[in-house]
This record gives sequence, C-alpha cells and structure tokens, in this order.
Amino acid sequence: GAVVSQHPSRVICKSGTSVKIECRSLDFQATTMFWYRQFPKKSLMLMATSNEGSKATYEQGVEKDKFLINHASLTLSTLTVTSAHPEDSSFYICSALLLNTEAFFGQGTRLTVV
Amino acid sequence: GEDVEQSLFLSVREGDSSVINCTYTDSSSTYLYWYKQEPGAGLQLLTYIFSNMDMKQDQRLTVLLNKKDKHLSLRIADTQTGDSAIYFCAESRPGGGADGLTFGKGTHLIIQP
Repeated sequence: GAVVSQHPSRVICKSGTSVKIECRSLDFQATTMFWYRQFPKKSLMLMATSNEGSKATYEQGVEKDKFLINHASLTLSTLTVTSAHPEDSSFYICSALLLNTEAFFGQGTRLTVV
Repeated sequence: GEDVEQSLFLSVREGDSSVINCTYTDSSSTYLYWYKQEPGAGLQLLTYIFSNMDMKQDQRLTVLLNKKDKHLSLRIADTQTGDSAIYFCAESRPGGGADGLTFGKGTHLIIQP
C-alpha cells in the first residue's frame, strides 16, 4: 500500500522555540494532505487541510500564525509549530490523500515542549 | 458533543469475535472508515465502506452499516493477540475525502488469553 513518512517521530524542544514536522508521501503524489492533533483520551482533531501550491485551510480555533503549514510539492507538507509552549505538547499526525479517496497516515510525531 | 461516538474499551477472549460499534451524525457522509492504531505507530486503514452499502467483508473483518440508525460496526473474527490496538471509526466530512475525516475517540481492544 501507499506509504506516508512523518519525521521526526519524537521531538523535545524548549519553550519559545519552533519545531518543524515533515510529512512525505513516498510512492504517490498527494495534492491534499491533512494535519491532525491527538489529545490524550480524545479523538483526532483536524487542524488544517494542506493543498499543494496554495494556502492551507485551517479549522476553527486553530491559529494559523502558530501552526505554519507549507505544501510546496506534491509529496511534502510541513507543519511548523512556532514559539512552542507546553500546551502545544501533543501527538501530531499527518495524512495524505490518494486519488481523493483514501487517506494514508504518517507514524505521528510526539512533541514535548519543556 | 462528538460527531462520531464509540466505546472506549472492549475486552474479548482470544479466539472469540470482537464487535466494535460506532455511531455517527452526518447522514451525508460518503465513506465510513475503520482505522487501527498500534502502540507507537500511526494509523492504518483497515477497511472502508461506501454509504450505499450495507455490508463489506474482507477476510476476518466484516463491516456492517445501518444508515437509517447511523450505526457502523466492525467485527473481527477469531480475534488474535496481534489485534490488540485502538480502533478508530471515521466518517468523511461533508465535502468528501478532500475535506478530511471526523474521528471517534477510538476503542481500545484488549485481548484476554
């Protein structure tokens, strides 16, 4: 099946710094990728829809200036958490859409802000 | 409240069938999905069903859809220890696949020896 690689799998950063998370579709092109955040004991929450070559569409309540998304190519989307704070600590998961139907997920990134 | 609801835990004996249930609210959903998340791993698509289908079977997995009641279930026959994971039910958002998915909280499937 299609493979989506997310990197890094774990990252610890200091409060106030920025962290970039990459999401790559390895064997298919994805014009649409999604970024989710998973809270403890809660479902995955869609943060934003990343469209290749255009601006990302953010869900209500998600700060676009804090969570910068860049989808510069058909195989790569990046999520940058700017000026990270401890409350940003979470599990972030990306997915890439194959043929507008099937979403393949990355392994997820565990972000810890200290 | 949540748009997609499912029980948080299910415990079954090895070899028995597991049935994980899910209810959703958006009747316009085109696709409904079941994902599996093993510890430390990302989500793996198990199966999906079109909203105009009632049932889909794939080896040990059977998906039943009751569109009238907005109820989706996943049956795993002959449950094995390797089936221990969190199972997420998801529905496509109103625009279809390109608008992302709405997930339930996930059901932890616990296998008893």
